[in-house]
Amino acid sequence: DGGITQSPKYLFRKEGQNVTLSCEQNLNHDAMYWYRQDPGQGLRLIYYSQIVNDFQKGDIAEGYSVSREKKESFPLTVTSAQKNPTAFYLCASSISLAGSYNEQFFGPGTRLTVL
Amino acid sequence: KNQVEQSPQSLIILEGKNCTLQCNYTVSPFSNLRWYKQDTGRGPVSLTIMTFSENTKSNGRYTATLDADTKQSSLHITASQLSDSASYICVVSDYSSASKIIFGSGTRLSIRP
Repeated sequence: DGGITQSPKYLFRKEGQNVTLSCEQNLNHDAMYWYRQDPGQGLRLIYYSQIVNDFQKGDIAEGYSVSREKKESFPLTVTSAQKNPTAFYLCASSISLAGSYNEQFFGPGTRLTVL
Repeated sequence: KNQVEQSPQSLIILEGKNCTLQCNYTVSPFSNLRWYKQDTGRGPVSLTIMTFSENTKSNGRYTATLDADTKQSSLHITASQLSDSASYICVVSDYSSASKIIFGSGTRLSIRP
């Protein structure tokens, strides 16, 4: 059953803690992305990766970090430096970098709440 | 500045009625425009994608139009169903960079029985 999965679905964090959100895909896609969604706003790009061991900052990378050690996996760490981390986080993948005709496929999302 | 603006922000219609959602963009250079449906608490799912040479694309009861000259797109939903209740997001991409994928803030559609 092909697709893109994220875990956990809900995550609670105390202030000052780092947390890692998981994203896995079995679509054999080269490109992967992390977005943040806040109420009333469009999705904003945090990081993206076009190939294993390579990733680029998006528009709001401060306070976040990623790794791409395997093609299938693109975990996102929300560090204590992120001032307002409470949001809905979406991971996506595409055959190659979007900007051409490639469709992005999205995971189900992780809702992070800072207590 | 590259922007995607959607209207209305929210819309309530009765089941069985038609509706049209609007998207205006200033993204340049233009590559393609997508419409996504996002159910509450879920990830977006693609409905249609159009390049600058396409001016209409259908997917079942969903029909998207594109006017690349005026930089406007619309999504028309025919004979609405309760399952159409969701947010509809317009997304515009340009050629210059993978990060230049601009998301609109969405239209929240509610279908009432």
